[in-house]
Amino acid sequence: AQTVTQSQPEMSVQEAETVTLSCTYDTSESDYYLFWYKQPPSRQMILVIRQEAYKQQNATENRFSVNFQKAAKSFSLKISDSQLGDAAMYFCAYRWTGAGSYQLTFGKGTKLSVIP
Amino acid sequence: DTGVSQDPRHKITKRGQNVTFRCDPISEHNRLYWYRQTLGQGPEFLTYFQNEAQLEKSRLLSDRFSAERPKGSFSTLEIQRTEQGDSAMYLCASSLVFDRDEAFFGQGTRLTVV
Repeated sequence: AQTVTQSQPEMSVQEAETVTLSCTYDTSESDYYLFWYKQPPSRQMILVIRQEAYKQQNATENRFSVNFQKAAKSFSLKISDSQLGDAAMYFCAYRWTGAGSYQLTFGKGTKLSVIP
Repeated sequence: DTGVSQDPRHKITKRGQNVTFRCDPISEHNRLYWYRQTLGQGPEFLTYFQNEAQLEKSRLLSDRFSAERPKGSFSTLEIQRTEQGDSAMYLCASSLVFDRDEAFFGQGTRLTVV
């Protein structure tokens, strides 16, 4: 079974600084997707960034980028120029690309605080 | 389109009662998912529909849980004979195959069993 581990229950960052959230996963599959989701307090979860395992290039979305190390099964999220609106729970998630399997496996999350 | 809508947002029920939650996905989305999120945990997959067909169910979905998606539109999740351990946030998500299959989540229904 696939597992996703986020070893940092809480993190904090000064506004305008950079922070990196860690995620490791375990799978025997070679083709899969990895995601970072953001869940603000009392609001719905939204997709921040997505990485296809077959792609060597790390995904970027504006201030958000990932460091994907397939051999190490590591998938960290870097947030640059942190803003107050970045404060939220961040979940790392995995999904196998095999036909008929569409469930996401989530980590326990990292609570990010942004200090003004 | 206002996104994935869930109703109610909060539900308090007595142990042993039945409860039903509703999810309205984004209108053109053909896939719909239910997840459960307990305090301090990430969401856990419960079940998945493609159109009206329920194609995948987690072992977490005990016999007391049933989900439907009639006509491939909205979905309901019913919990019979609720237990205190059922207290959680129940999240619904939908996606459109052929559109990167990105899952869009609703705000969830928070269930408290007393």
